[in-house]
Amino acid sequence: SQQGEEDPQALSIQEGENATMNCSYKTSINNLQWYRQNSGRGLVHLILIRSNEREKHSGRLRVTLDTSKKSSSLLITASRAADTASYFCATPVGQKLVFGQGTRLTINP
Amino acid sequence: GAGVSQSPSNKVTEKGKDVELRCDPISGHTALYWYRQRLGQGLEFLIYFQGNSAPDKSGLPSDRFSAERTGESVSTLTIQRTQQEDSAVYLCASSKRTGSDYGYTFGSGTRLTVV
Repeated sequence: SQQGEEDPQALSIQEGENATMNCSYKTSINNLQWYRQNSGRGLVHLILIRSNEREKHSGRLRVTLDTSKKSSSLLITASRAADTASYFCATPVGQKLVFGQGTRLTINP
Repeated sequence: GAGVSQSPSNKVTEKGKDVELRCDPISGHTALYWYRQRLGQGLEFLIYFQGNSAPDKSGLPSDRFSAERTGESVSTLTIQRTQQEDSAVYLCASSKRTGSDYGYTFGSGTRLTVV
Protein backbone atom coordinates (compact mmCIF):
# COMPACT_ATOMS: atom_id res chain seq x y z
CA SER A 1 0.00 0.00 0.00
CA GLN A 2 1.11 3.54 -0.63
CA GLN A 3 2.90 5.42 2.13
CA GLY A 4 1.89 8.76 0.65
CA GLU A 5 -1.24 9.59 -1.29
CA GLU A 6 -1.97 12.89 -3.00
CA ASP A 7 -5.32 14.54 -3.32
CA PRO A 8 -6.78 15.52 -5.72
CA GLN A 9 -5.52 13.28 -8.50
CA ALA A 10 -6.02 16.12 -10.98
CA LEU A 11 -6.54 19.86 -10.59
CA SER A 12 -7.26 22.46 -13.27
CA ILE A 13 -7.24 26.18 -12.45
CA GLN A 14 -6.92 29.54 -14.16
CA GLU A 15 -3.58 31.31 -14.37
CA GLY A 16 -3.12 33.60 -11.41
CA GLU A 17 -5.19 31.48 -9.03
CA ASN A 18 -3.71 29.53 -6.13
CA ALA A 19 -3.35 25.75 -6.27
CA THR A 20 -3.49 23.52 -3.22
CA MET A 21 -2.51 19.86 -3.19
CA ASN A 22 -2.67 17.52 -0.23
CA CYS A 23 -0.69 14.49 0.84
CA SER A 24 -1.55 11.92 3.48
CA TYR A 25 0.82 9.31 4.80
CA LYS A 26 0.60 6.34 7.11
CA THR A 27 3.67 5.93 9.30
CA SER A 28 5.71 8.31 11.41
CA ILE A 29 8.24 10.31 9.44
CA ASN A 30 11.12 12.66 10.16
CA ASN A 31 10.54 14.67 7.01
CA LEU A 32 8.35 14.97 3.93
CA GLN A 33 9.43 16.12 0.50
CA TRP A 34 7.63 17.53 -2.53
CA TYR A 35 8.76 17.03 -6.12
CA ARG A 36 7.58 18.30 -9.51
CA GLN A 37 7.62 16.30 -12.73
CA ASN A 38 7.24 17.82 -16.18
CA SER A 39 6.26 15.71 -19.17
CA GLY A 40 6.71 12.34 -17.46
CA ARG A 41 10.47 12.62 -17.11
CA GLY A 42 12.84 13.41 -14.24
CA LEU A 43 11.53 14.80 -11.00
CA VAL A 44 12.76 18.05 -9.50
CA HIS A 45 13.08 18.43 -5.75
CA LEU A 46 11.01 21.41 -4.56
CA ILE A 47 11.08 21.48 -0.80
CA LEU A 48 11.75 19.38 2.31
CA ILE A 49 9.90 19.96 5.56
CA ARG A 50 11.06 18.31 8.77
CA SER A 51 8.75 16.73 11.31
CA ASN A 52 9.42 19.50 13.84
CA GLU A 53 8.40 22.19 11.32
CA ARG A 54 4.82 23.22 10.68
CA GLU A 55 5.25 25.49 7.69
CA LYS A 56 7.93 26.28 5.16
CA HIS A 57 8.14 28.74 2.28
CA SER A 58 10.14 28.81 -0.92
CA GLY A 59 9.27 31.55 -3.39
CA ARG A 60 5.64 31.01 -4.42
CA LEU A 61 5.52 27.64 -2.65
CA ARG A 62 4.19 27.12 0.83
CA VAL A 63 4.24 23.70 2.49
CA THR A 64 2.52 22.77 5.73
CA LEU A 65 2.91 19.63 7.78
CA ASP A 66 0.51 18.30 10.40
CA THR A 67 2.09 15.25 12.02
CA SER A 68 -0.96 14.64 14.22
CA LYS A 69 -3.09 14.18 11.10
CA LYS A 70 -0.27 12.66 9.07
CA SER A 71 -0.87 15.11 6.28
CA SER A 72 0.88 17.83 4.30
CA SER A 73 -0.24 20.43 1.83
CA LEU A 74 1.54 22.23 -0.99
CA LEU A 75 0.24 25.66 -1.95
CA ILE A 76 1.37 27.36 -5.15
CA THR A 77 0.38 31.02 -5.18
CA ALA A 78 -0.23 33.18 -8.26
CA SER A 79 -0.01 30.18 -10.58
CA ARG A 80 1.65 30.41 -14.00
CA ALA A 81 1.37 28.29 -17.13
CA ALA A 82 4.86 26.94 -16.38
CA ASP A 83 3.54 25.41 -13.14
CA THR A 84 1.63 22.84 -15.22
CA ALA A 85 3.14 19.54 -14.08
CA SER A 86 2.62 16.56 -11.80
CA TYR A 87 3.43 17.05 -8.14
CA PHE A 88 4.47 14.22 -5.84
CA CYS A 89 4.95 13.98 -2.13
CA ALA A 90 7.58 11.57 -0.85
CA THR A 91 8.21 10.18 2.59
CA PRO A 92 11.16 8.19 3.88
CA VAL A 93 10.66 4.51 4.55
CA GLY A 94 13.88 3.04 5.81
CA GLN A 95 16.71 4.34 3.68
CA LYS A 96 14.62 5.22 0.63
CA LEU A 97 11.85 7.60 -0.38
CA VAL A 98 8.39 6.30 -1.20
CA PHE A 99 6.39 8.44 -3.60
CA GLY A 100 2.66 8.93 -3.90
CA GLN A 101 0.68 8.69 -7.12
CA GLY A 102 0.87 12.43 -7.73
CA THR A 103 -1.47 15.32 -8.50
CA ARG A 104 -1.69 16.41 -12.12
CA LEU A 105 -1.93 20.23 -12.11
CA THR A 106 -3.03 22.11 -15.23
CA ILE A 107 -2.86 25.90 -15.37
CA ASN A 108 -5.21 27.37 -18.00
CA PRO A 109 -4.28 30.69 -19.62
CA GLY B 1 28.97 15.95 -13.84
CA ALA B 2 26.49 18.70 -13.14
CA GLY B 3 23.49 16.41 -13.03
CA VAL B 4 22.38 12.79 -13.16
CA SER B 5 22.80 11.42 -16.66
CA GLN B 6 20.82 8.49 -18.02
CA SER B 7 21.22 6.67 -21.31
CA PRO B 8 19.67 5.88 -23.62
CA SER B 9 16.83 8.39 -23.32
CA ASN B 10 14.57 6.11 -25.34
CA LYS B 11 14.79 2.40 -26.06
CA VAL B 12 12.50 0.26 -28.17
CA THR B 13 13.14 -3.46 -27.93
CA GLU B 14 11.49 -6.65 -29.01
CA LYS B 15 9.85 -8.89 -26.45
CA GLY B 16 12.34 -11.46 -25.17
CA LYS B 17 15.45 -9.34 -25.74
CA ASP B 18 17.72 -8.12 -22.95
CA VAL B 19 18.23 -4.40 -22.31
CA GLU B 20 20.78 -2.46 -20.29
CA LEU B 21 20.09 1.01 -18.91
CA ARG B 22 22.84 3.26 -17.64
CA CYS B 23 22.96 5.91 -14.93
CA ASP B 24 25.77 8.35 -14.15
CA PRO B 25 25.15 9.96 -10.75
CA ILE B 26 26.39 13.30 -9.51
CA SER B 27 30.03 13.11 -8.47
CA GLY B 28 30.28 12.70 -4.70
CA HIS B 29 26.78 11.33 -4.30
CA THR B 30 27.22 8.01 -2.55
CA ALA B 31 23.58 6.92 -2.78
CA LEU B 32 21.96 5.86 -6.06
CA TYR B 33 18.37 4.77 -6.61
CA TRP B 34 16.40 3.21 -9.45
CA TYR B 35 12.64 3.71 -9.83
CA ARG B 36 10.13 2.62 -12.44
CA GLN B 37 7.16 4.72 -13.53
CA ARG B 38 4.42 3.26 -15.65
CA LEU B 39 2.31 5.66 -17.72
CA GLY B 40 0.21 7.90 -15.50
CA GLN B 41 1.40 6.18 -12.34
CA GLY B 42 3.61 7.04 -9.38
CA LEU B 43 7.19 5.95 -8.86
CA GLU B 44 7.86 2.33 -7.95
CA PHE B 45 11.09 1.73 -6.03
CA LEU B 46 13.38 -0.90 -7.54
CA ILE B 47 16.81 -0.84 -5.88
CA TYR B 48 19.30 1.43 -4.13
CA PHE B 49 23.05 1.45 -3.61
CA GLN B 50 24.94 3.15 -0.78
CA GLY B 51 28.70 3.21 -1.07
CA ASN B 52 30.15 -0.25 -0.65
CA SER B 53 27.23 -1.58 1.38
CA ALA B 54 25.07 -4.40 0.06
CA PRO B 55 22.34 -2.95 -2.18
CA ASP B 56 18.69 -3.00 -1.16
CA LYS B 57 17.09 -5.07 -3.93
CA SER B 58 13.72 -5.38 -2.25
CA GLY B 59 11.86 -3.56 -5.03
CA LEU B 60 13.03 -5.62 -7.99
CA PRO B 61 9.85 -7.18 -9.44
CA SER B 62 11.39 -10.43 -10.69
CA ASP B 63 14.69 -12.23 -11.19
CA ARG B 64 14.77 -10.85 -14.74
CA PHE B 65 15.81 -7.54 -13.20
CA SER B 66 19.31 -6.91 -11.88
CA ALA B 67 21.50 -3.91 -11.23
CA GLU B 68 25.13 -3.22 -10.57
CA ARG B 69 27.13 -0.24 -9.45
CA THR B 70 30.87 0.24 -9.70
CA GLY B 71 32.05 1.88 -6.50
CA GLU B 72 30.31 5.22 -6.21
CA SER B 73 29.96 5.85 -9.91
CA VAL B 74 28.03 4.40 -12.83
CA SER B 75 25.14 2.00 -12.37
CA THR B 76 23.51 -0.27 -14.90
CA LEU B 77 20.03 -1.77 -14.68
CA THR B 78 19.60 -4.91 -16.76
CA ILE B 79 16.28 -6.43 -17.74
CA GLN B 80 16.50 -9.90 -19.24
CA ARG B 81 13.90 -11.47 -21.53
CA THR B 82 11.85 -8.27 -21.63
CA GLN B 83 8.08 -8.45 -21.45
CA GLN B 84 5.49 -5.90 -22.57
CA GLU B 85 4.67 -5.08 -18.95
CA ASP B 86 8.26 -3.86 -18.55
CA SER B 87 7.38 -0.86 -20.73
CA ALA B 88 7.84 2.21 -18.53
CA VAL B 89 10.13 5.11 -17.78
CA TYR B 90 13.08 4.02 -15.66
CA LEU B 91 14.33 6.82 -13.44
CA CYS B 92 17.65 7.02 -11.66
CA ALA B 93 18.35 9.38 -8.77
CA SER B 94 21.32 10.12 -6.58
CA SER B 95 21.78 11.84 -3.23
CA LYS B 96 24.66 12.66 -0.94
CA ARG B 97 23.90 9.53 1.04
CA THR B 98 20.98 7.39 2.02
CA GLY B 99 18.84 8.56 4.83
CA SER B 100 15.90 10.79 4.65
CA ASP B 101 17.47 14.20 5.16
CA TYR B 102 18.72 14.55 1.62
CA GLY B 103 16.67 15.37 -1.42
CA TYR B 104 17.17 13.33 -4.54
CA THR B 105 18.47 14.59 -7.89
CA PHE B 106 16.82 12.71 -10.72
CA GLY B 107 17.99 11.99 -14.23
CA SER B 108 15.67 12.49 -17.19
CA GLY B 109 14.89 8.80 -17.36
CA THR B 110 14.96 6.09 -20.00
CA ARG B 111 11.65 5.42 -21.73
CA LEU B 112 11.56 1.70 -22.47
CA THR B 113 9.04 0.34 -24.95
CA VAL B 114 8.76 -3.42 -25.41
CA VAL B 115 7.02 -4.41 -28.65
